[in-house]
Amino acid sequence: EVQLLESGGGLVQPGGSLRLSCAASGFTFSRYAMSWVRQAPGEGLEWVSVIIGSGDTTYYADSVKGRFTISRDNSRNTLFLQMNSLRAEDTAVYYCAKGSSSSWFQTDFDYWGQGTLVTVSS
Amino acid sequence: DIQMTQSPSSLSASVGDRVTITCRASQGISNYLAWFQQKPGKAPKSLIYGASSLQSGVPSKFSGSGSGTDFTLTISSLQPEDFATYYCQQYNTYPLTFGGGTRVEIK
Repeated sequence: EVQLLESGGGLVQPGGSLRLSCAASGFTFSRYAMSWVRQAPGEGLEWVSVIIGSGDTTYYADSVKGRFTISRDNSRNTLFLQMNSLRAEDTAVYYCAKGSSSSWFQTDFDYWGQGTLVTVSS
Repeated sequence: DIQMTQSPSSLSASVGDRVTITCRASQGISNYLAWFQQKPGKAPKSLIYGASSLQSGVPSKFSGSGSGTDFTLTISSLQPEDFATYYCQQYNTYPLTFGGGTRVEIK
């Protein structure tokens, strides 16, 4: 059974940093691209970033480019999102999502984690 | 960026009704279109990929169609567990983008 379990959310002041983790199980983690998707309170879904299976290639939404860094540790089956220079508008539930194939391009999501809440406020 | 426009933004329906939600892309995306269901306080659940293929375990009352720029999600006979918000998403091009969502409520 595929499981994705996010952690690391919490309350942080504007300008601060936070590191999210997503522990994966039930599949060969290194074979699949992984993404972060966020959802501000009462709002819709916004894709944040993707990383390919090997970790060599990453892409970011313009809204987080230069502030967030996605990475993965395939030996620990864990995905990360390092978030720096946080802003109030980054407040959201952050989900990790698994790509459905080994390709990072034109691949849908088949599994989602339960999410972790990040609140940026003074 | 490709804009995804869903309509309606909300609808009221009764148990047993047939419901159709539409999604329009601002440019052609072939069939790289997915649909998700989200219940309050829960993570999204993948329903359909490739515009019309059901994810494993998704009941056949859900169906999708379309290609290019215009897509639909149909629920053939609405059940109490189907009341939720539905999102479309294009995965043809980065950045991946979602529609604004359609909230399906009980009439």
